[in-house]
Amino acid sequence: GAVVSQHPSWVICKSGTSVKIECRSLDFQATTMFWYRQFPKQSLMLMATSNEGSKATYEQGVEKDKFLINHASLTLSTLTVTSAHPEDSSFYICSARVLGVNRSYNSPLHFGNGTRLTVT
Amino acid sequence: GESVGLHLPTLSVQEGDNSIINCAYSNSASDYFIWYKQESGKGPQFIIDIRSNMDKRQGQRVTVLLNKTVKHLSLQIAATQPGDSAVYFCAENISRNNRLAFGKGNQVVVIP
Repeated sequence: GAVVSQHPSWVICKSGTSVKIECRSLDFQATTMFWYRQFPKQSLMLMATSNEGSKATYEQGVEKDKFLINHASLTLSTLTVTSAHPEDSSFYICSARVLGVNRSYNSPLHFGNGTRLTVT
Repeated sequence: GESVGLHLPTLSVQEGDNSIINCAYSNSASDYFIWYKQESGKGPQFIIDIRSNMDKRQGQRVTVLLNKTVKHLSLQIAATQPGDSAVYFCAENISRNNRLAFGKGNQVVVIP
């Protein structure tokens, strides 16, 4: 089945530093990847859509200069949290979709195992 | 029984009993729906999906029902096992933008 790998699984950083999270599709190519954020006991909130070879599309209220997304290849997207602050502490999860028959979007997203970011 | 936690509604179910988890979706333009299971500290895991031209789909021990009239989705788990303890999310795909929006989630606790 489709596997999405995310690294690191957890990271602790000091306030003001930047953190990069990698998301890889291991056995399929993904022209589009999605980045979600999840706070404890809450649902997943879509942050942005990462598009291979072009700019990411950000959801309303998500600062594009703070959450830098780079989708440099068909199997890798990165999310960089710049100048992290304690309120950025969260669980960040990436996902990708294997396109269905006739490149249909009616196919499930496959998720990585998330990255727990703690900013001290 | 079912109770509302701080953020997540919680369903407690005896091992071996059937579980029913409900979800109301918001957009009548949604054409594809998925149920995910999320264990603590992990990413969501695909369980079952259903397209809007269907009203029922069965998998192994799981059944998804879709009622488009009232925009309601449910997940039934047969013979619930301790390994089924997790948070379950429904997600809807809105066809015009192909983004997946998640519902609030339901915590299922299986009592041995």
